Amino acid sequence: DAKTTQPTSMDCAEGRAANLPCNHSTISGNEYVYWYRQIHSQGPQYIIHGLKNNETNEMASLIITEDRKSSTLILPHATLRDTAVYYCIVRLAGGTSYGKLTFGQGTILTVHP
Amino acid sequence: KAGVTQTPRYLIKTRGQQVTLSCSPISGHRSVSWYQQTPGQGLQFLFEYFSETQRNKGNFPGRFSGRQFSNSRSEMNVSTLELGDSALYLCASSLVTSPNEKLFFGSGTQLSVL
Repeated sequence: DAKTTQPTSMDCAEGRAANLPCNHSTISGNEYVYWYRQIHSQGPQYIIHGLKNNETNEMASLIITEDRKSSTLILPHATLRDTAVYYCIVRLAGGTSYGKLTFGQGTILTVHP
Repeated sequence: KAGVTQTPRYLIKTRGQQVTLSCSPISGHRSVSWYQQTPGQGLQFLFEYFSETQRNKGNFPGRFSGRQFSNSRSEMNVSTLELGDSALYLCASSLVTSPNEKLFFGSGTQLSVL
């Protein structure tokens, strides 16, 4: 799986959009970009994933650059409950292992009142 | 629909003992994966089971083992516990019907080795 690079920490004001960047310059054509988050001492929570196109769901939007070397997770209206560690993961589509994710150190997002 | 259930939530053991952790996946999910999380190493993949067979294994010693039952429930076992095995152990399940299937995680078992 390709390596990802994320900022160690970010701050955001409550109610504002939080934009979390991720660099995955060695991503290959059949690798997806996944985002998970983890609130202290809980299991990681799935947020969103995409291959080439931008994606949006009820939690967030994922913007993937045209060359796929980087992406941005957008939380449109951050709340205090969005304070968590956010992991950007590149995952091979298919193969023989569906259950393996390679987690990096992630970005600690702190949402301030 | 119930989520991934892990038991027990907390566990305290002493060095040299062994421990068994349990994971019940979401109903219908056939793949179960296990992860270890420590402050120093972060989240690391242990192994994955599908249809009672181990499909993939991370870089952990043989003291770490697992199994999956016919109802997809899974257990992991750690023998001869060491202080460094203190960690949050997480289980994840997925449907395994498409290549971009997402994983759902349980809340984990917090193991403390004294």
